[in-house]
Amino acid sequence: ENVLTQFPGIVSSSPGESVTLSCKASQGVTSGHLAWYQQRSGLAPRLLMYGIAARAAGIPDRFSGRGSGTDFTLTISRLEPEDFAVYYCHLYGDSAGTFGQGTRVEI
Amino acid sequence: QVHLVESGGGVVQPGKSLRLSCAGSGFTFGGYSMHWVRQTPGKGLEWVAAISSDGDEIHYADKVKGRFTISRDNSRDTLYLQMTRLRADDTALYYCARDLRSFLDWLFMDWGQGTLVTVSS
Repeated sequence: ENVLTQFPGIVSSSPGESVTLSCKASQGVTSGHLAWYQQRSGLAPRLLMYGIAARAAGIPDRFSGRGSGTDFTLTISRLEPEDFAVYYCHLYGDSAGTFGQGTRVEI
Repeated sequence: QVHLVESGGGVVQPGKSLRLSCAGSGFTFGGYSMHWVRQTPGKGLEWVAAISSDGDEIHYADKVKGRFTISRDNSRDTLYLQMTRLRADDTALYYCARDLRSFLDWLFMDWGQGTLVTVSS
């Protein structure tokens, strides 16, 4: 099983700033099937990114994903108040794969 | 606009059964694979079961195999999860999620708001 580890667990920032969240796979990801979800407090997860760098419908370009092999990142530029949430990476493809444990972005 | 609404959760004793439903609207329900994903505070997000658009392909997480049954009724735009022999560690918020297309891509494009299942004596 390819285990995803996210770090940091919690990141503190302020509106207008930028943050970069990391997701490290225990084995190399060759399929490119790496997604990110955002979960705001009390709400369901929402797909942000898929295929490492493709934004889901309606996701602003302040969100960007990159990476290859075992190391992937999600960068959120110019933080808006609604961006303060928990972010999960997800390895998908030929099975449901695994989720990372999440990174909380807090003010 | 895609809308998924789960129902059927509640408090149930260990060993008992429960059936969850997920009603879809705003899209052609029968054209998409569907999933159940659960979330617990301690263990985060966990995929539970998947079904292809026509119901011919079904998969389960090892933890629920033999106890849970996923099904769908495309004429009613509804997804189901029949849960039997429930255990305390099945306690979670259960979400239904829509996949990318009719085949299983294992990508959770849209999510419902979830229904809470609590297994406790």
